[in-house]
Formats: sequence, structure tokens, C-alpha cells
Amino acid sequence: KAGVTQTPRYLIKTRGQQVTLSCSPISGHRSVSWYQQTPGQGLQFLFEYFSETQRNKGNFPGRFSGRQFSNSRSEMNVSTLELGDSALYLCASSGGRGGYTFGSGTRLTVV
Amino acid sequence: KNQVEQSPQSLIILEGKNCTLQCNYTVSPFSNLRWYKQDTGRGPVSLTIMTFSENTKSNGRYTATLDADTKQSSLHITASQLSDSASYICVVMEGYSTLTFGKGTMLLVSP
Repeated sequence: KAGVTQTPRYLIKTRGQQVTLSCSPISGHRSVSWYQQTPGQGLQFLFEYFSETQRNKGNFPGRFSGRQFSNSRSEMNVSTLELGDSALYLCASSGGRGGYTFGSGTRLTVV
Repeated sequence: KNQVEQSPQSLIILEGKNCTLQCNYTVSPFSNLRWYKQDTGRGPVSLTIMTFSENTKSNGRYTATLDADTKQSSLHITASQLSDSASYICVVMEGYSTLTFGKGTMLLVSP
């Protein structure tokens, strides 16, 4: 059974640009959640999607947005990038019963 | 405010020794508590998940305990190996889907 796939693995962007990250969940999982991980703050919840609807949202500015497609694949978009957006972005998929499986993440560096 | 506090922040032990990591939480309503292992630059991997009624759960050399009355959990690693070097993250689920993360304990196993 394939795991959670995140692409790309690494990304370098310039301040002011925008970026789109992709997450393919485990087959059959309908919930996808996104997290930002930085050395100082640890893992912070961005948002969760279930059946193409945003079900929960963390405390991040509107520059961070996401969506989920009918095949459960999800994308996260960050507009007007800032240096502080440099982080490891993780997504996790869940098939219910409280189990979350994380992808390997996308390492975003903003220069 | 829901919080998860982990201690120590970092730990160095000799290969073959045991160690115990601590997690205190104030999350309510409590649903379950998970311990994850995260290798550098990778996504977290689940070690154990415990519900309110479980007070111990093992996964190989990893044993987690939970005291729901005092809202404390511990992760005990037996006969440590070099591959145990990683960050260990305590995560508490509130309700059906809201996760609160600790900042992790960075463990280094030295030869």
C-alpha cells in the first residue's frame, strides 16, 4: 500500500513569489491535513480537508490556502512568500479511526 | 489553551542504554495521545496511539505509558540503538480531529 506522497521534496523560491505544494494521500483516505514545521515552533496545524471541504483551519494568514480534489489529492498554496515561510511542510492523510500517516514533506526555502 | 509540553528538550545517551521521555498535556476533551518518531528531514512516523482507557502500549523497544488523571505520558526506549537518534513528538488529539503537538525531544544516541 503506497504511503503519502508529497511533491516536490525541495523547493527554493524568492520573496514575493507564490508556491503550490502537492499531497497524494493513501488510497481510500478522504482526509488530508497540512502542517508547517519550523525549528522554533515545532509542528503547527494549517488546515484539514475532507471530501473536498475544508473542515478545520489553524491560525495562519490568508496567504496560506488549500484545496482538495475529488480523488482526495490536495494542494497547498502560499502567496506573496516571506522569509519566515521557510519550513518543512508536511501533509498527513487519515482514513478515520484517528490514524494519521505523514508524508516525507516538502522543504521550502524562501530567499 | 490546549498545550503539550515535552521534556527534556534534548538528550544524549550511550548506545545500549535506556531512556524515558516525558509529555504533559492540558488538552481537553481528550481523545487520544500519540508518540511519533521523526528522523531529520523526514515526516513523523507513528510509534503508539493510546486512548483514555489504555495506560501502556508497546511497539518493539518502545513502551508508552499514559496517566489520564494527571495528564502525563512517557515514552521509554529500551536498549537504545544508533538508529533511535531522532526527534520524538508527543501529539494529543482533541475531539475528533484537532491535533496539538509538543515541540519534541531531540534524542542523540552516541556510540
